[in-house]
Amino acid sequence: AQSVTQLGSHVSVSEGALVLLRCNYSSSVPPYLFWYVQYPNQGLQLLLKYTSAATLVKGINGFEAEFKKSETSFHLTKPSAHMSDAAEYFCAVIPGGNDYKLSFGAGTTVTVRA
Amino acid sequence: GAGVSQSPSNKVTEKGKDVELRCDPISGHTALYWYRQSLGQGLEFLIYFQGNSAPDKSGLPSDRFSAERTGGSVSTLTIQRTQQEDSAVYLCASTRDLYGYTFGSGTRLTVV
Repeated sequence: AQSVTQLGSHVSVSEGALVLLRCNYSSSVPPYLFWYVQYPNQGLQLLLKYTSAATLVKGINGFEAEFKKSETSFHLTKPSAHMSDAAEYFCAVIPGGNDYKLSFGAGTTVTVRA
Repeated sequence: GAGVSQSPSNKVTEKGKDVELRCDPISGHTALYWYRQSLGQGLEFLIYFQGNSAPDKSGLPSDRFSAERTGGSVSTLTIQRTQQEDSAVYLCASTRDLYGYTFGSGTRLTVV
């Protein structure tokens, strides 16, 4: 069975500081991994995805994530936070094989301090 | 259309009434998902349609919930005899493959 754990339900960063959002998954096979962002009163927008190609994945808005099999992690980073990055971020996984269900972590809310 | 369209965007209903939520996926997308997002909680999987295969209904919380997808396109999620705990944002997503899920803006359901 797949599960996704996001460490920290809330993260507060200063504008210009590093953003680091943690995601760990459990899987017996290499999964497909995603990060989504949700701005207030909006749907989910795909930031980036890992599909067993390069382990360092670059996404939109300056975000990137690194797949580390040994740590079963897919942490999301952005070198310099902007006020517009304030949102909720979700890590998600698809097991692959015959299971195509997209399962989400509980989400991390990011606030950016001026 | 260019994106996944959900209607209505907001729905207020009285406890005990039935409601229907509609999702128009992106043309050509064979897979369609429904999720529920309750206040302060993550996204809860409800149901999954893939092509002509039998839907995966394992996430439906009770037999008051049902969904159908007509002609492999439009999907309707029906909640019968609504309860206050059904209040949530219901999100629909569609995809052509495993990598590119596109979400609609959701229907905010409030049961009073």
